Amino acid sequence: QKEVEQDPGPLSVPEGAIVSLNCTYSNSAFQYFMWYRQYSRKGPELLMYTYSSGNKEDGRFTAQVDKSSKYISLFIRDSQPSDSATYLCAKVLETSGSRLTFGEGTQLTVNP
Amino acid sequence: ETGVTQTPRHLVMGMTNKKSLKCEQHLGHNAMYWYKQSAKKPLELMFVYNFKEQTENNSVPSRFSPECPNSSHLFLHLHTLQPEDSALYLCASSLRDRGVEAFFGQGTRLTVV
Repeated sequence: QKEVEQDPGPLSVPEGAIVSLNCTYSNSAFQYFMWYRQYSRKGPELLMYTYSSGNKEDGRFTAQVDKSSKYISLFIRDSQPSDSATYLCAKVLETSGSRLTFGEGTQLTVNP
Repeated sequence: ETGVTQTPRHLVMGMTNKKSLKCEQHLGHNAMYWYKQSAKKPLELMFVYNFKEQTENNSVPSRFSPECPNSSHLFLHLHTLQPEDSALYLCASSLRDRGVEAFFGQGTRLTVV
């Protein structure tokens, strides 16, 4: 079983739609959860991270963690064509602090 | 610009060649990483360095040889690679004891022919 499972998509939505990206994980020891965005031909960039259950909001982006069901989500409100990218979820062990484990990534296209 | 610079951006090499990838970070971080990104696969951690010392080798074949002369520079020496090693190789850095906020370079697109 993969440590982080993510639907690779592709996902295509119209501009202005609410986007929901999801991951599940298998190890309860993981505590920090991150979302990275990767544009084509670029390296991943950190969007948000959280270390507790609940929601964290940053502009149009909301990260949600449900530790009881081992589910992490990223919501994008009022999606824009510039949001078209691959979104990677990741987590890191609390104890080691140095080993990021990534999901496969979900490719998102926002159509004008 | 994330503060992590990788060169070259693209590399084509034969299976008998020897080449090196270079990574430099200007963020004052002490941990540096090499990742491999292949199509339709999760990012694979290859090596981790903390304060120039290798702390993790994720069962990487010996044809990949990392070098970290100081906390700002990281190299990946390549020799006798296979076509299946073709991928995007990403360098990242973070603070020493927290890998949460890792900053990635733009990657080197490697093609082995």
